[in-house]
Amino acid sequence: QVQLQESGPGLVKPSETLSLTCAVSRGSISTYYWTWMRQSPGKGLEWIGHVYYSGSTQYNPSLRSRVTISVDTSKNHFSLRLSSVTAADTAVYYCARGTHQMSVRWFDPWGQGTLVTVSS
Amino acid sequence: QSVLTQPPSTSGTPGQTITISCSGSTSNIGTNAVSWYQQLPGTAPKLLIFSNNLRPSGVHDGVSGSKSGTSASLAISGLQSADEADYYCASWDDSLNGPVFGGGTKVTVL
Repeated sequence: QVQLQESGPGLVKPSETLSLTCAVSRGSISTYYWTWMRQSPGKGLEWIGHVYYSGSTQYNPSLRSRVTISVDTSKNHFSLRLSSVTAADTAVYYCARGTHQMSVRWFDPWGQGTLVTVSS
Repeated sequence: QSVLTQPPSTSGTPGQTITISCSGSTSNIGTNAVSWYQQLPGTAPKLLIFSNNLRPSGVHDGVSGSKSGTSASLAISGLQSADEADYYCASWDDSLNGPVFGGGTKVTVL
């Protein structure tokens, strides 16, 4: 059963860049697509973007100017960089595997999530 | 403001059946399949239903999903205390070219 694990700093200063990595274990990253989501305290889920194993990406238009998602198939992990962060970027960040079959898409499994706080 | 609309909360007694609605539009639910996720307190979302009405292995058969037009619903029968959680619907949105989620429904077992 494939497992995902997020890692990265839990505290980032305003205007700096948030960087997270999601390690994929017990499965290959060279299929499916790999997604970052976030959940602000007490709020719902927000899609940040995703990367295919080929390296092609899609981003949420509301974050596109600040987001970069990349994949490293040799290390079986993918990464998120979010620049110029503000307090509004404080959230639990999740990575998840996406499956796509025609008009059917779903996300499973998810990582356990990592809380990132933006504060000076 | 979430793209998909869910009731913020619902409740039921043990053994009852509850349903959660999820309303969208032609660019998402009307064109693409719906998935549902359960989020227990302090944990990550877990896939509950995919492709509108399919259960992954390990999800009990008291959970079911359906879709009609631009709306979907999740039903949980034989409600148990272990079902207390937040539930989110999701669908691909062709305008966003990405997934959209409902705001979540908190289920309380009385």
